[in-house]
Amino acid sequence: DTEVTQTPKHLVMGMTNKKSLKCEQHMGHRAMYWYKQKAKKPPELMFVYSYEKLSINESVPSRFSPECPNSSLLNLHLHALQPEDSALYLCASSQGWDLNQPQHFGDGTRLSIL
Amino acid sequence: DAKTTQPPSMDCAEGRAANLPCNHSTISGNEYVYWYRQIHSQGPQYIIHGLKNNETNEMASLIITEDRKSSTLILPHATLRDTAVYYCIVRVANQGGKLIFGQGTELSVKP
Repeated sequence: DTEVTQTPKHLVMGMTNKKSLKCEQHMGHRAMYWYKQKAKKPPELMFVYSYEKLSINESVPSRFSPECPNSSLLNLHLHALQPEDSALYLCASSQGWDLNQPQHFGDGTRLSIL
Repeated sequence: DAKTTQPPSMDCAEGRAANLPCNHSTISGNEYVYWYRQIHSQGPQYIIHGLKNNETNEMASLIITEDRKSSTLILPHATLRDTAVYYCIVRVANQGGKLIFGQGTELSVKP
């Protein structure tokens, strides 16, 4: 069972829509992550937040806009996406950046762009 | 780029031990070896991690060679529910703690 909750589980949207993905954890973790996983590929990092501040952006297009409103929540705002953005979007959290602290993942949001 | 190399697939008989190898010849002294698995349609599940010493928890054992250039994940009594993609990851310092996933090993546990 995962302690990182992602909503919605599935999302279908058109290229002109605006939608948001949500991620929530109540483990007191101060680092949160967004990963993208295409079919039959490994996850790839998109963003890292530490203490509610964006620390790393892996050159992600601006049509993806992350937000961390508080230490328990992480959002990913989507606008004007392309069909190639269809993927599984995974959220993860960890106590911090300490290499000895594992990241824990949610089960993701499966996004389809029409 | 991922710093690990794993076989793309392996089979294991149910009830037997599954031994999943991983090579990480360029690992640095302060970098940890992590193992995750991903069952279809779920997020990656943390299994175990280690730095130098062998580690064991309720899910698995991690054996790291003395030179730290390779490791083996051992599932002592594999069940059908252990069928998944297993990722061996070297967690690199000074990169925000991010995980760089390689291609992983697809383990099939067969009756």
